[in-house]
Amino acid sequence: NAGVTQTPKFQVLKTGQSMTLQCAQDMNHEYMSWYRQDPGMGLRLIHYSVGAGITDQGEVPNGYNVSRSTTEDFPLRLLSAAPSQTSVYFCASSDRTGGGYGYTFGSGTRLTVV
Amino acid sequence: GIQVEQSPPDLILQEGANSTLRCNFSDSVNNLQWFHQNPWGQLINLFYIPSGTKQNGRLSATTVATERYSLLYISSSQTTDSGVYFCAVKPSNFGNEKLTFGTGTRLTIIP
Repeated sequence: NAGVTQTPKFQVLKTGQSMTLQCAQDMNHEYMSWYRQDPGMGLRLIHYSVGAGITDQGEVPNGYNVSRSTTEDFPLRLLSAAPSQTSVYFCASSDRTGGGYGYTFGSGTRLTVV
Repeated sequence: GIQVEQSPPDLILQEGANSTLRCNFSDSVNNLQWFHQNPWGQLINLFYIPSGTKQNGRLSATTVATERYSLLYISSSQTTDSGVYFCAVKPSNFGNEKLTFGTGTRLTIIP
């Protein structure tokens, strides 16, 4: 099925560990982004990419790295996990061509850092 | 950055009732979207509506860009409408690719 696939769905990390959240889309979308969702704060943009090889920071980029080597994949790396990074992470993609583009979200990754 | 305010923060309604959710934003936008997050956490795009009016079944949305607000209407509410509704906007500034979300309206439909 076409869409945005995130893995894993759940993860528990110890403080200081690193990990990569995977995001893949099969809709040939140019634009991809990562958000984190915390209670009472809505969704906040971490990093985004407007095409392969191009990434930029969002509102809360500290502690995270991204890369975009292909159109399909946009992994999010936690360099040294901290309890403040406990959150639900969403990946999204959209087609910037033409007009009237909406976002498609993955099902999320629930991360707990202990 | 752009500010996005949604009201009310919480809404509890009886099944069959109608509701209006509001989104105010502080700057001109070229992208406005409404999302529904269901109780399982999945985010579903309802409307892409930077201006004008759209309808999809029992849901409709209107954005008045010149006055910087958007409204989401839900008619004849069903329990499956429960969840959190988010408004998200992207400023019209050239090269600004950041979609900013409001904090949402939590809707609870009681049978």
